[in-house]
Amino acid sequence: GAVVSQHPSWVICKSGTSVKIECRSLDFQATTMFWYRQFPKQSLMLMATSNEGSKATYEQGVEKDKFLINHASLTLSTLTVTSAHPEDSSFYICSARGGQTYNSPLHFGNGTRLTVT
Amino acid sequence: AQKITQTQPGMFVQEKEAVTLDCTYDTSDQSYGLFWYKQPSSGEMIFLIYQGSYDEQNATEGRYSLNFQKARKSANLVISASQLGDSAMYFCAMREDFGNEKLTFGTGTRLTIIP
Repeated sequence: GAVVSQHPSWVICKSGTSVKIECRSLDFQATTMFWYRQFPKQSLMLMATSNEGSKATYEQGVEKDKFLINHASLTLSTLTVTSAHPEDSSFYICSARGGQTYNSPLHFGNGTRLTVT
Repeated sequence: AQKITQTQPGMFVQEKEAVTLDCTYDTSDQSYGLFWYKQPSSGEMIFLIYQGSYDEQNATEGRYSLNFQKARKSANLVISASQLGDSAMYFCAMREDFGNEKLTFGTGTRLTIIP
């Protein structure tokens, strides 16, 4: 079945530094990928839609200059958290649609746990 | 208004019993899809089952079935013969308009299976 790989699984960084998270679709091409953020004991909140070859679409309240998204190929999207602060500590998870039919589910990566000290 | 509502923050169920996780949704679209995902403590999101708004039959996938009541806008997940490995967070999600791939998630239900 469709597999989405996300790297790294966890990262600790110092405040003010930038962190890049990769999301790859391993056995299918994904023109669209999605980035979600999940705070502890809360639900997944969509941050942005990553579109291959074009600019990402950000949800209301998400700073596009802070969360840089690049979707340079049909199998790779990256999320860069720039000038990270402790409040950016969260679980970031990407997803991509696993097929072309209307009932194809979104397949998720294993997520990245970011801790900013 | 919440688009997806899961009213059960946590549930405890005896092993081998069936369990129903509630989900209600709110949409004005005629075409939409409803999904259930399982999130174990490791964090991964595992797709369980899908129900389309035009599907007349309730979806089933192994021990999972979806009790879809369109008029009441509910899509409850039923897990039969629960197992210890079923302990996890369960999220109901909706995709409105088949041309839109975005999912809106509920707040989740933490299910704990008791041996």
